[in-house]
Amino acid sequence: DAGITQSPRHKVTETGTPVTLRCHQTENHRYMYWYRQDPGHGLRLIHYSYGVKDTDKGEVSDGYSVSRSKTEDFLLTLESATSSQTSVYFCAISESGQNDNSPLHFGNGTRLTVT
Amino acid sequence: GDSVTQMEGPVTLSEEAFLTINCTYTATGYPSLFWYVQYPGEGLQLLLKATKADDKGSNKGFEATYRKETTSFHLEKGSVQVSDSAVYFCARMNTGFQKLVFGTGTRLLVSP
Repeated sequence: DAGITQSPRHKVTETGTPVTLRCHQTENHRYMYWYRQDPGHGLRLIHYSYGVKDTDKGEVSDGYSVSRSKTEDFLLTLESATSSQTSVYFCAISESGQNDNSPLHFGNGTRLTVT
Repeated sequence: GDSVTQMEGPVTLSEEAFLTINCTYTATGYPSLFWYVQYPGEGLQLLLKATKADDKGSNKGFEATYRKETTSFHLEKGSVQVSDSAVYFCARMNTGFQKLVFGTGTRLLVSP
């Protein structure tokens, strides 16, 4: 398994509270991604990073922010959680971007419930 | 836009049955195509890939052929096992640094 650790694995929070999910990698890969997985939607890209302090938006970035101050850590923050953000969140890494020679490696996910 | 369409599940089979999970993609650009598998409680793992028309990806007894004429990348296995029970995702990606677009996933349930 690629060295990817997501924390926490499970989180229940109330609407309006801030939440931060952490992804930690030991592979020294340049690229890191946050996806959310929802029934009927598959996986959708929230944000990604192509280096320290270099991030960009994915297709469902509204309501989320990210930070990457070190190569190994990529944080996803929900500034004010809403029920629509109840989901399973996956972090992924790749060595050289999303090309066919550099597959994504996924963490085991964080299940977030917003009540 | 770019998209991937998978057959809805669950697909329920008996052990040693033949498996087909259909996947079609939008015909924009020259995408690479992938199958990922997700076992219960885990993240996705790359199962196989094909990068150009007529390529066949294969791994662990699974196969898929990149069919440009039908814009399809169907996943097949000749004899499934209980351990193959998982969710399978088809995905596409254009050349260069583009996002990986996933289908909605198909759950496979294999009974002894």
